[in-house]
Amino acid sequence: EIVLTQSPGTLSLSPGERATLSCRASQSVSSSYLAWYQQKPGQAPRLLIYGASSRATGIPDRFSGSGSGTDFTLTISRLEPEDFAVYYCQQYGSQFGQGTKVEIK
Amino acid sequence: QVQLVQSGAEVKKPGASVKVSCKASGYTFTSYGISWVRQAPGQGLEWMGWISAYNGNTNYAQKLQGRVTMTTDTSTSTAYMELRSLRSDDTAVYYCARDLCTSCPQKVDYWGQGTLVTVSS
Repeated sequence: EIVLTQSPGTLSLSPGERATLSCRASQSVSSSYLAWYQQKPGQAPRLLIYGASSRATGIPDRFSGSGSGTDFTLTISRLEPEDFAVYYCQQYGSQFGQGTKVEIK
Repeated sequence: QVQLVQSGAEVKKPGASVKVSCKASGYTFTSYGISWVRQAPGQGLEWMGWISAYNGNTNYAQKLQGRVTMTTDTSTSTAYMELRSLRSDDTAVYYCARDLCTSCPQKVDYWGQGTLVTVSS
């Protein structure tokens, strides 16, 4: 089973700053099958990115995904107050990464 | 609008079973799959498995094989997840989510509100 490792565990940033989140796979993953989700406290997750780089419906363009093989990245170009949350990567039909918490500095 | 409404919270004793329901509305149920994801208190997301609402095919997480069964009732557009031989570490919020594929697990776009299952003696 492919294991996804996310880093850093916590990212402390200020609104307006750029966030770069990493997701590394233990084996090569088809980029077609990599998604990113956002979860806020007490809420269900929300799909942000699918196919490694395609934004889901209604997701602002400050969110972007990239990568291939074993290294994937979620970038938030300029953090808005509502972006402070936990972010998970997932290979379709498999386990999630352990998550990266983006917190206000 | 797409909605997934899950059954209410459950408290179970170790060794018991739990069955969580997920009633879908606002879309053609058999044109999608349903994935189940759980989240232990303060922990990350754990993918449990997937079922095709089109033909009932399933794909379970290896860790839960033999303890979990996912089914659907297309007449009521409802999906079910049953977990047996419950242990304390099964305590979690259980989510159903609409999966965009009927032939294999894929990305999910709409989620239920979550069902808290507490396992305690």
